[in-house]
Amino acid sequence: GESVGLHLPTLSVQEGDNSIINCAYSNSASDYFIWYKQESGKGPQFIIDIRSNMDKRQGQRVTVLLNKTVKHLSLQIAATQPGDSAVYFCAVLEGGSYIPTFGRGTSLIVHP
Amino acid sequence: DAGITQSPRHKVTETGTPVTLRCHQTENHRYMYWYRQDPGHGLRLIHYSYGVKDTDKGEVSDGYSVSRSKTEDFLLTLESATSSQTSVYFCAITSEMSQPQHFGDGTRLSIL
Repeated sequence: GESVGLHLPTLSVQEGDNSIINCAYSNSASDYFIWYKQESGKGPQFIIDIRSNMDKRQGQRVTVLLNKTVKHLSLQIAATQPGDSAVYFCAVLEGGSYIPTFGRGTSLIVHP
Repeated sequence: DAGITQSPRHKVTETGTPVTLRCHQTENHRYMYWYRQDPGHGLRLIHYSYGVKDTDKGEVSDGYSVSRSKTEDFLLTLESATSSQTSVYFCAITSEMSQPQHFGDGTRLSIL
């Protein structure tokens, strides 16, 4: 089955810095990848997704990069703000599946 | 935000009592899920549903049952609550395969 891991459980940055959060997956049949943000006391919130036919996708201040060769994806947050403080985790789906595998999350702490 | 309502939002009960958590959606999505989230474990799938009266077990289904008698409601029942079931429970929905899940704000359940 799929396993999804994170390289770093906690990331501390200064306000205004760029943040990079990483995720690794094991199943080469995975073809859909999602990043979620979870604030304290709330449910996970969808941020951005990417499919395996792309290697980069940009949103508002966020970019997701996918490297299928090494089975790695990253979430980049530009000009990090205190409101970005949250737990971020990735989810990975195999083609044709509706049951994702979740990573455990990285806690992003933004210092003013 | 996706129309997902979980109830109750908080509950404290005693070991051995039955507990039912409700997830209600207004999106008419086909797929619904119940997860539990515990420190150090991330999101773990309890049960899921792929249609009315169609449900299946996830990785941590022991001690839990579910029912889905109509599209909008997915109920999670702890048949005889134990202290190990103290957790935060999240409901999620998705419309089709290879689409992001959208989450409710969770139910914090404490079993004393």
